[in-house]
Amino acid sequence: TQLLEQSPQFLSIQEGENLTVYCNSSSVFSSLQWYRQEPGEGPVLLVTVVTGGEVKKLKRLTFQFGDARKDSSLHITAAQPGDTGLYLCAGLLVGSGAGSYQLTFGKGTKLSVIP
Amino acid sequence: DVKVTQSSRYLVKRTGEKVFLECVQDMDHENMFWYRQDPGLGLRLIYFSYDVKMKEKGDIPEGYSVSREKKERFSLILESASTNQTSMYLCASSGSRTLNYGYTFGSGTRLTVV
Repeated sequence: TQLLEQSPQFLSIQEGENLTVYCNSSSVFSSLQWYRQEPGEGPVLLVTVVTGGEVKKLKRLTFQFGDARKDSSLHITAAQPGDTGLYLCAGLLVGSGAGSYQLTFGKGTKLSVIP
Repeated sequence: DVKVTQSSRYLVKRTGEKVFLECVQDMDHENMFWYRQDPGLGLRLIYFSYDVKMKEKGDIPEGYSVSREKKERFSLILESASTNQTSMYLCASSGSRTLNYGYTFGSGTRLTVV
């Protein structure tokens, strides 16, 4: 059972369109991160959200953490070809304790933005 | 600029060889991780370490071992490489006081076992 479910798994859109990617769980997270990974590279951290209901903006990207801290979304406005990549959500489970430093990762959403 | 450096971007090894993948971080992070990434399977944790000389098994430790003799360096060892270990290997680190700030990843090592 995947603790963090991402949807959709694949997304192909035209340049200029808007899109939303979802990250859902039945578990509560103390924080949640979004990463972008380009082909042949490691994931790069985009944002961390910590507070339930929190909204963060990074240029054309808007990240939201659910009120119950069980889910998150990433919205991209006017997508550009440079947004192409694999988007991963990852979270730190509540109650992990001081001895547990592992993030739980979703499987990712592969986004292609066609010029 | 803070960094996690993996020693090789691409490696080709023969079945049965012993393979060493090296990872170095310059952020004084306590925690270091080794993942493999395969299409459709996502990131899978192999081993992690939260202190020098400490190691913990992840979800798929079979066929792998690790070494952490210094805080900045975490090595992954494939004792006898097999073709099913062909994969992208990613090293990551994080600070115990900054757990909420996520991981810093290396650029990855694409390993092919023939």
